[in-house]
Amino acid sequence: AQSVTQPDIHITVSEGASLELRCNYSYGATPYLFWYVQSPGQGLQLLLKYFSGDTLVQGIKGFEAEFKRSQSSFNLRKPSVHWSDAAEYFCAVVPSGGYQKVTFGTGTKLQVIP
Amino acid sequence: GAGVSQSPSNKVTEKGKDVELRCDPISGHTALYWYRQSLGQGLEFLIYFQGNSAPDKSGLPSDRFSAERTGGSVSTLTIQRTQQEDSAVYLCASSRRTGPEKLFFGSGTQLSVL
Repeated sequence: AQSVTQPDIHITVSEGASLELRCNYSYGATPYLFWYVQSPGQGLQLLLKYFSGDTLVQGIKGFEAEFKRSQSSFNLRKPSVHWSDAAEYFCAVVPSGGYQKVTFGTGTKLQVIP
Repeated sequence: GAGVSQSPSNKVTEKGKDVELRCDPISGHTALYWYRQSLGQGLEFLIYFQGNSAPDKSGLPSDRFSAERTGGSVSTLTIQRTQQEDSAVYLCASSRRTGPEKLFFGSGTQLSVL
Protein backbone atom coordinates (compact mmCIF):
# COMPACT_ATOMS: atom_id res chain seq x y z
CA ALA A 1 0.00 0.00 0.00
CA GLN A 2 1.15 3.53 -0.66
CA SER A 3 2.29 5.28 2.49
CA VAL A 4 4.50 7.95 3.97
CA THR A 5 6.18 7.38 7.31
CA GLN A 6 7.85 9.67 9.80
CA PRO A 7 9.44 7.30 12.31
CA ASP A 8 10.20 9.92 14.96
CA ILE A 9 7.21 11.31 16.82
CA HIS A 10 9.25 13.66 18.97
CA ILE A 11 12.85 14.91 18.76
CA THR A 12 14.76 17.16 21.13
CA VAL A 13 17.91 18.99 20.07
CA SER A 14 20.04 21.69 21.62
CA GLU A 15 20.12 25.10 20.04
CA GLY A 16 23.01 25.27 17.59
CA ALA A 17 23.07 21.52 17.04
CA SER A 18 22.38 19.90 13.71
CA LEU A 19 19.03 18.36 12.89
CA GLU A 20 17.79 15.53 10.71
CA LEU A 21 14.14 14.52 10.48
CA ARG A 22 13.34 11.30 8.72
CA CYS A 23 10.73 10.61 6.07
CA ASN A 24 10.23 7.37 4.18
CA TYR A 25 7.72 6.61 1.49
CA SER A 26 6.33 3.54 -0.14
CA TYR A 27 5.13 4.19 -3.66
CA GLY A 28 5.56 2.33 -6.94
CA ALA A 29 7.16 5.28 -8.67
CA THR A 30 8.99 8.19 -7.08
CA PRO A 31 6.33 10.58 -5.88
CA TYR A 32 6.55 14.32 -5.52
CA LEU A 33 7.86 15.11 -2.04
CA PHE A 34 7.31 18.01 0.33
CA TRP A 35 8.12 19.19 3.83
CA TYR A 36 5.74 21.47 5.71
CA VAL A 37 6.17 23.12 9.10
CA GLN A 38 3.49 24.00 11.63
CA SER A 39 4.76 26.51 14.17
CA PRO A 40 2.84 27.16 17.40
CA GLY A 41 -0.08 29.43 16.68
CA GLN A 42 0.63 29.49 12.97
CA GLY A 43 -0.70 27.64 10.00
CA LEU A 44 1.14 25.05 7.97
CA GLN A 45 3.80 26.45 5.69
CA LEU A 46 5.76 24.84 2.87
CA LEU A 47 9.48 24.49 3.61
CA LEU A 48 10.63 22.83 0.40
CA LYS A 49 9.69 20.39 -2.33
CA TYR A 50 11.27 17.85 -4.65
CA PHE A 51 9.94 17.05 -8.08
CA SER A 52 12.99 15.87 -10.05
CA GLY A 53 16.58 16.76 -10.81
CA ASP A 54 19.08 17.66 -8.14
CA THR A 55 18.49 15.38 -5.18
CA LEU A 56 19.50 18.01 -2.63
CA VAL A 57 16.89 20.75 -2.39
CA GLN A 58 17.10 23.97 -0.49
CA GLY A 59 14.18 25.50 1.30
CA ILE A 60 13.28 28.43 3.45
CA LYS A 61 14.64 29.13 6.93
CA GLY A 62 17.93 27.39 6.15
CA PHE A 63 16.44 23.93 5.72
CA GLU A 64 17.43 21.41 3.10
CA ALA A 65 16.32 17.90 2.20
CA GLU A 66 17.95 15.07 0.33
CA PHE A 67 16.09 12.62 -1.85
CA LYS A 68 17.56 9.11 -1.82
CA ARG A 69 15.85 6.80 -4.25
CA SER A 70 17.66 3.69 -3.00
CA GLN A 71 16.36 4.29 0.51
CA SER A 72 12.95 5.70 -0.45
CA SER A 73 13.74 8.59 1.84
CA PHE A 74 13.47 12.36 1.85
CA ASN A 75 15.08 13.51 5.09
CA LEU A 76 15.00 17.09 6.26
CA ARG A 77 18.17 18.67 7.62
CA LYS A 78 19.42 21.86 9.15
CA PRO A 79 23.07 22.46 10.13
CA SER A 80 22.34 24.64 13.16
CA VAL A 81 18.97 24.76 14.87
CA HIS A 82 17.52 27.96 16.29
CA TRP A 83 15.01 28.14 19.12
CA SER A 84 12.43 29.45 16.66
CA ASP A 85 12.61 26.15 14.76
CA ALA A 86 10.60 24.46 17.51
CA ALA A 87 7.52 23.26 15.65
CA GLU A 88 5.90 20.21 14.13
CA TYR A 89 7.23 19.04 10.79
CA PHE A 90 5.26 17.09 8.24
CA CYS A 91 6.47 15.16 5.25
CA ALA A 92 3.96 14.98 2.39
CA VAL A 93 3.76 13.11 -0.90
CA VAL A 94 1.81 13.27 -4.13
CA PRO A 95 1.92 10.26 -6.47
CA SER A 96 3.53 11.05 -9.78
CA GLY A 97 1.39 11.09 -12.88
CA GLY A 98 -2.06 12.61 -12.93
CA TYR A 99 -3.86 14.65 -10.38
CA GLN A 100 -3.93 13.04 -6.98
CA LYS A 101 -4.32 14.07 -3.41
CA VAL A 102 -1.59 15.13 -1.00
CA THR A 103 -0.92 12.61 1.76
CA PHE A 104 0.83 13.68 4.94
CA GLY A 105 2.93 11.77 7.42
CA THR A 106 2.06 11.75 11.09
CA GLY A 107 4.51 14.52 11.88
CA THR A 108 7.60 14.99 14.03
CA LYS A 109 7.47 17.42 16.90
CA LEU A 110 10.77 19.25 17.40
CA GLN A 111 11.76 20.65 20.76
CA VAL A 112 14.76 22.95 20.99
CA ILE A 113 16.53 23.37 24.32
CA PRO A 114 18.86 26.25 25.17
CA GLY B 1 -8.22 37.76 -0.45
CA ALA B 2 -4.92 37.32 1.25
CA GLY B 3 -5.15 33.67 2.15
CA VAL B 4 -7.39 30.74 2.98
CA SER B 5 -10.06 31.76 5.45
CA GLN B 6 -11.85 29.36 7.76
CA SER B 7 -14.79 29.99 10.04
CA PRO B 8 -15.54 29.68 12.81
CA SER B 9 -12.11 29.50 14.40
CA ASN B 10 -13.59 27.67 17.37
CA LYS B 11 -16.77 25.67 17.69
CA VAL B 12 -18.12 24.01 20.81
CA THR B 13 -21.12 21.79 20.34
CA GLU B 14 -23.07 19.12 22.15
CA LYS B 15 -22.94 15.50 21.17
CA GLY B 16 -25.61 14.72 18.60
CA LYS B 17 -25.81 18.21 17.12
CA ASP B 18 -24.90 19.03 13.52
CA VAL B 19 -22.08 21.47 12.69
CA GLU B 20 -21.00 23.31 9.56
CA LEU B 21 -17.45 24.45 8.95
CA ARG B 22 -16.67 26.94 6.22
CA CYS B 23 -13.64 27.44 4.02
CA ASP B 24 -12.93 30.33 1.63
CA PRO B 25 -9.98 29.36 -0.58
CA ILE B 26 -7.62 31.70 -2.32
CA SER B 27 -9.28 33.24 -5.34
CA GLY B 28 -8.50 31.30 -8.50
CA HIS B 29 -7.39 28.14 -6.72
CA THR B 30 -9.16 25.20 -8.29
CA ALA B 31 -8.14 22.55 -5.77
CA LEU B 32 -9.50 22.49 -2.23
CA TYR B 33 -8.71 20.00 0.52
CA TRP B 34 -10.10 19.24 3.95
CA TYR B 35 -7.90 17.58 6.56
CA ARG B 36 -8.48 16.68 10.19
CA GLN B 37 -5.74 17.03 12.78
CA SER B 38 -6.16 15.20 16.06
CA LEU B 39 -3.61 15.14 18.84
CA GLY B 40 -0.80 12.83 17.82
CA GLN B 41 -2.57 11.74 14.65
CA GLY B 42 -0.99 13.96 12.06
CA LEU B 43 -3.03 15.27 9.17
CA GLU B 44 -5.83 12.96 8.15
CA PHE B 45 -7.10 13.48 4.62
CA LEU B 46 -10.87 13.87 4.39
CA ILE B 47 -11.88 15.10 0.95
CA TYR B 48 -10.63 17.09 -2.00
CA PHE B 49 -12.27 19.04 -4.79
CA GLN B 50 -10.68 19.78 -8.15
CA GLY B 51 -12.57 22.12 -10.41
CA ASN B 52 -15.66 20.50 -11.86
CA SER B 53 -14.47 16.94 -11.35
CA ALA B 54 -16.18 14.65 -8.88
CA PRO B 55 -14.65 15.12 -5.43
CA ASP B 56 -12.43 12.47 -3.89
CA LYS B 57 -14.36 11.51 -0.76
CA SER B 58 -12.21 8.53 0.10
CA GLY B 59 -11.06 9.98 3.42
CA LEU B 60 -14.43 10.76 4.96
CA PRO B 61 -14.60 8.61 8.12
CA SER B 62 -18.34 7.97 8.07
CA ASP B 63 -21.55 8.95 6.34
CA ARG B 64 -22.06 11.58 9.02
CA PHE B 65 -19.45 13.64 7.20
CA SER B 66 -20.18 15.44 3.97
CA ALA B 67 -18.78 18.41 2.08
CA GLU B 68 -19.76 20.55 -0.81
CA ARG B 69 -18.13 23.27 -2.83
CA THR B 70 -20.36 25.85 -4.40
CA GLY B 71 -19.39 27.63 -7.59
CA GLY B 72 -15.90 26.21 -7.43
CA SER B 73 -15.09 28.48 -4.51
CA VAL B 74 -16.42 28.31 -0.95
CA SER B 75 -16.63 24.90 0.68
CA THR B 76 -18.66 23.69 3.65
CA LEU B 77 -17.84 20.60 5.67
CA THR B 78 -20.87 19.27 7.53
CA ILE B 79 -20.74 16.82 10.40
CA GLN B 80 -24.09 15.38 11.42
CA ARG B 81 -24.89 13.94 14.82
CA THR B 82 -21.47 14.88 16.19
CA GLN B 83 -19.63 12.47 18.45
CA GLN B 84 -16.87 13.17 20.95
CA GLU B 85 -14.34 11.49 18.69
CA ASP B 86 -15.04 14.18 16.09
CA SER B 87 -13.25 16.70 18.31
CA ALA B 88 -10.21 17.90 16.36
CA VAL B 89 -8.85 20.76 14.31
CA TYR B 90 -10.30 20.81 10.82
CA LEU B 91 -7.95 22.33 8.29
CA CYS B 92 -8.73 23.56 4.82
CA ALA B 93 -6.13 24.06 2.12
CA SER B 94 -6.20 25.21 -1.46
CA SER B 95 -3.83 25.10 -4.41
CA ARG B 96 -3.89 26.19 -8.00
CA ARG B 97 -4.58 22.61 -9.00
CA THR B 98 -4.15 19.14 -7.57
CA GLY B 99 -0.92 17.28 -7.86
CA PRO B 100 2.52 18.69 -7.14
CA GLU B 101 1.43 22.13 -6.08
CA LYS B 102 2.08 24.07 -2.91
CA LEU B 103 -0.82 23.93 -0.49
CA PHE B 104 -1.96 27.08 1.26
CA PHE B 105 -3.57 26.31 4.59
CA GLY B 106 -6.15 28.13 6.63
CA SER B 107 -5.81 28.53 10.38
CA GLY B 108 -8.32 25.78 11.03
CA THR B 109 -11.49 25.30 13.03
CA GLN B 110 -11.07 23.82 16.49
CA LEU B 111 -14.11 21.63 17.05
CA SER B 112 -14.96 20.48 20.54
CA VAL B 113 -17.82 18.04 21.05
CA LEU B 114 -19.01 17.86 24.65
